[in-house]
Amino acid sequence: GQQLNQSPQSMFIQEGEDVSMNCTSSSIFNTWLWYKQDPGEGPVLLIALYKAGELTSNGRLTAQFGITRKDSFLNISASIPSDVGIYFCAGPFNNAGNMLTFGGGTRLMVKP
Amino acid sequence: NAGVTQTPKFQVLKTGQSMTLQCAQDMNHEYMSWYRQDPGMGLRLIHYSVGAGITDQGEVPNGYNVSRSTTEDFPLRLLSAAPSQTSVYFCASSYSAGPYGYTFGSGTRLTVV
Repeated sequence: GQQLNQSPQSMFIQEGEDVSMNCTSSSIFNTWLWYKQDPGEGPVLLIALYKAGELTSNGRLTAQFGITRKDSFLNISASIPSDVGIYFCAGPFNNAGNMLTFGGGTRLMVKP
Repeated sequence: NAGVTQTPKFQVLKTGQSMTLQCAQDMNHEYMSWYRQDPGMGLRLIHYSVGAGITDQGEVPNGYNVSRSTTEDFPLRLLSAAPSQTSVYFCASSYSAGPYGYTFGSGTRLTVV
């Protein structure tokens, strides 16, 4: 699979702060997915992006599909303790779109 | 609606032992896949299936076998466990083979000593 680089690797923030994380690739992707993993659980899909330049929100979460199709951003506004977890970006690395590659994840910790 | 069910949740194996990780879904999803998660490396695709009787290799297939005799079940077999296979294993399913919303199981944590 192709490499997806996520940054930062970890973040420790105060409750109420906004959070921003990103994902970059050396190759073009036609779809970007953002997942959240709670401790001891499998990843859960947060947002899916299918078009360059697309900006999509899901509650306090907003994600953008970069114009170059080589990057994507996830923002969380007004963080709360339950936002704690690992956030992964992912995208398909084959033409059929059924083989996902994942970034290494951003671990978010929120201090009440 | 149970979603994707993985068993066992935890397993310790000795080097050279074999075992099968079970995965079952009740959503009538055609597409199922297995990933392994290692610290700092995200999830890596081991094998996948686009329907009963059809399987294919992912990024890291060596040391693992799969079969898909029914739509519901997609077991992952380790024929001769090695310490390098110590990992957390996730099964996922989706309605179609495209990059759409996968439903993941809660994982199996495997330790090979």
